[in-house]
This record gives sequence, C-alpha cells and structure tokens, in this order.
Amino acid sequence: GDSVTQMEGPVTLSEEAFLTINCTYTATGYPSLFWYVQYPGEGLQLLLKATKADDKGSNKGFEATYRKETTSFHLEKGSVQVSDSAVYFCALSRRSGGGADGLTFGKGTHLIIQP
Amino acid sequence: NAGVTQTPKFQVLKTGQSMTLQCAQDMNHNSMYWYRQDPGMGLRLIYYSASEGTTDKGEVPNGYNVSRLNKREFSLRLESAAPSQTSVYFCASSEARGDSPLHFGNGTRLTVT
Repeated sequence: GDSVTQMEGPVTLSEEAFLTINCTYTATGYPSLFWYVQYPGEGLQLLLKATKADDKGSNKGFEATYRKETTSFHLEKGSVQVSDSAVYFCALSRRSGGGADGLTFGKGTHLIIQP
Repeated sequence: NAGVTQTPKFQVLKTGQSMTLQCAQDMNHNSMYWYRQDPGMGLRLIYYSASEGTTDKGEVPNGYNVSRLNKREFSLRLESAAPSQTSVYFCASSEARGDSPLHFGNGTRLTVT
C-alpha cells in the first residue's frame, strides 16, 4: 500500500540555520503531496501542497518540490526561527484524481530551533 | 470562524466503558475523517465519510464505530474502551477532491485505564 517515510528526529538547529526535512513516498498513481505542521496542543495545519510532478509548494518561507523521479517531497527553509519549532508531517492523498478518502501521513519530524 | 470543533478536549475512561467523541465542521465540506495520533506512529485513519450518508473503514477501524449524523457532524464511538485506545483523536474535514487539504480540529486526548 501507499506509504510515507520521513526523518523522525528530533532535529535540533540554531536560529537562522538552513532546514531540510526529507520525505519520500511509495504510491500507485499520481497522488497529491502535502506538508502539515503541528504546534504543541493543537491540531495539524496545512503548510503547503503540490498536486503534480515538478510543482513547488511554498508558504511562510518553506518550500517543497514534487519530484516524481525520486518519489520525494523534501521540505526546506533558508533561515529558521524559534517560532518554527513544531512537528512536521509529510502526507499524500490516498486517492489520485476525484474523490476524497483521506491522507496517508508519515510519522512526523520534531523540529527544535534554539536561539 | 470555528472550522472543525471537537468535544470533549480531554476524557478518562475505565476499561469497558463506552463514549462518543463529537465533531462538527462549519465549512460546508462533504468529506470528514477520524484519525488517531500515537507517539512514533504518526496519524492513522480510523474511519472516514466521503459524503453525507456514507462511511468507510480506514487503516485501524477495529473497536470503533462512526455515524455521519448530517453534513456537519461526524461522531466516533468506542463501545468498550481498551487501554490500547489511549490516544489523541483528531477529526478533520475536506472538500470531496483528491487534492483537497484536510482541516483539523484541536483533538481529544483520551486515556483508558
């Protein structure tokens, strides 16, 4: 079945460092890909998405490019802030095209940014 | 602008007790979902409702039942709680398209003793 693999962490960086969180996936068809962020005590919030190969999603300084040839969707940010400390989830749509039967999530990467 | 509202926020049950987790969304979404989040496991889909009047099993449906009461509300019931059901439960909703993002509630933290 479909699956998502991401580095689990915790990943600890200093403020203003460059961030990469790796995400690779296994899926049939052409899923849409997503990154979600979860702050302590809250639900998940959509960070960015990409719906087809070579699409780049971006939001709040974060970027990820849908790479079909390497089945990857790595999350990057050029200069992280303390406020970026959170858990980040990579996810793919369970069904490509029409219909909606949920997302398959990776296990999450806990990011800690130190001042 | 409530989005997805879950009740209760916290609950402690004894083994064998039953309870219903409530979820409501005000975004006029067709599809709704129940996930559980466990340390080291990420989020796993329990049940979903692609549209009003339909429900389907996800990855981990055993021990749970759901009801799509109307377009807004989707409840999750534990008939006989077990310690293995200790988890954080999230409800989510989306438009009925494969590329639609999910909108999540803030979760219910359930402990079964």
